[in-house]
Amino acid sequence: DIQMTQSPSTLSASVGDRVTITCRASQSIRHWLAWYQKKPGKAPNLLIYQASNLESGVPSRFSGSGSGTEFTLTISNLQPDDFATYYCQQYNGDFPSFPFGGGTKVEIK
Amino acid sequence: EVQLVESGGGLVQRGGSLRLSCAASGFTVSNNYMTWVRQAPGKGLEWVSLIYRGGSGANTYYADSVKGRFTISRDSSKNTLFLQMNSLKDEDTAVYYCARDRSGGFLDAFDIWGQGTMVTVSS
Repeated sequence: DIQMTQSPSTLSASVGDRVTITCRASQSIRHWLAWYQKKPGKAPNLLIYQASNLESGVPSRFSGSGSGTEFTLTISNLQPDDFATYYCQQYNGDFPSFPFGGGTKVEIK
Repeated sequence: EVQLVESGGGLVQRGGSLRLSCAASGFTVSNNYMTWVRQAPGKGLEWVSLIYRGGSGANTYYADSVKGRFTISRDSSKNTLFLQMNSLKDEDTAVYYCARDRSGGFLDAFDIWGQGTMVTVSS
């Protein structure tokens, strides 16, 4: 089965910082990767699709890159509303499962 | 407005069954890839199941943790997605979300999510 590994699991940062989260797939998923933001009591919110495309309405300080097995989510100029948990998910239909990474909690330093 | 509304959650005994519903508005569920995702208390997001777009006989997929116990389906006449959950275990306790893929034409990321419904399995 395909597995997704995120790092770090927790990240402490300040408003205005640039942060980077890494997601690794156990096999190549080409560009079929999404990034979601999750806040307590709320549904996940799609940020990035197909590894690097910004979902409509998402601030441009969010960006994604990568292909194959290694991907990154970057948040430039971290804002108070960005303190949340972030998840990657693979959705390459060549595989019979669509797992999430373990999550990265972005905390206030 | 494109919207998903889950229902059917609640308290159920270990070994029992529950059927979750996800009513769609603003789009047709059979025209999109649809998925169920859950989050146990204090844990991360866990993908549960996915159904391909199309008619009856569409491909369905399950996480190993629920395979053989959960069944995803949809009713086009009600424009509703379902998750039948049998032989429930303590570890199935979670908030369950349904979601729709953003494309409809091919499998893409999930852009529309329901508000979630809580399932609690208790002995």
